Amino acid sequence: RKEVEQDPGPFNVPEGATVAFNCTYSNSASQSFFWYRQDCRKEPKLLMSVYSSGNEDGRFTAQLNRASQYISLLIRDSKLSDSATYLCVVTDDTGKLIFGQGTTLQVKP
Amino acid sequence: DVKVTQSSRYLVKRTGEKVFLECVQDMDHENMFWYRQDPGLGLRLIYFSYDVKMKEKGDIPEGYSVSREKKERFSLILESASTNQTSMYLCASSLTAGGREDTQYFGPGTRLTVL
Repeated sequence: RKEVEQDPGPFNVPEGATVAFNCTYSNSASQSFFWYRQDCRKEPKLLMSVYSSGNEDGRFTAQLNRASQYISLLIRDSKLSDSATYLCVVTDDTGKLIFGQGTTLQVKP
Repeated sequence: DVKVTQSSRYLVKRTGEKVFLECVQDMDHENMFWYRQDPGLGLRLIYFSYDVKMKEKGDIPEGYSVSREKKERFSLILESASTNQTSMYLCASSLTAGGREDTQYFGPGTRLTVL
């Protein structure tokens, strides 16, 4: 079983749609959780950290469920510029980052 | 803004060659990392360093070595390149290790092809 699992997609959605990605992780000792965004042929960049209480940044909402060991990312009112691969990232018990393989989102006009 | 630079965007080498990939960060970060990224496998950690002259193996260190002589510079070395080392190599740095604020900042990547 992979340490961080994501549905690779692609998710094809029209502009303005709401889309949600889930990610599951296997290490119950993980302490920190993140979503990174990676554009085609570019490096990953931090999108947002994920807190136990959930957090929101504009159209993006991240949630953490420790009991079920999953993380979600909700994107509202999708824009063409949201097209990218979204990487779910958790820390292991030594603090190193473990990356999921990413979920690809394509927003269509 | 944190800036992480890598010496080459694209590199083509022959099997058996020694390859050096250089990474420099300008934010006085303690921690530096080397990953490779392959389709379907995601990012995998090769080596990391928490301090000058210090190195730790990641998940896939075989065939690689690293050097950190100065805080801002972390080099990845392929002693004898092989075709299965064809990949995208990404360097990253972070201020701290572990914890909520341990954001890693990535360089633009080096796409290495070994013929």
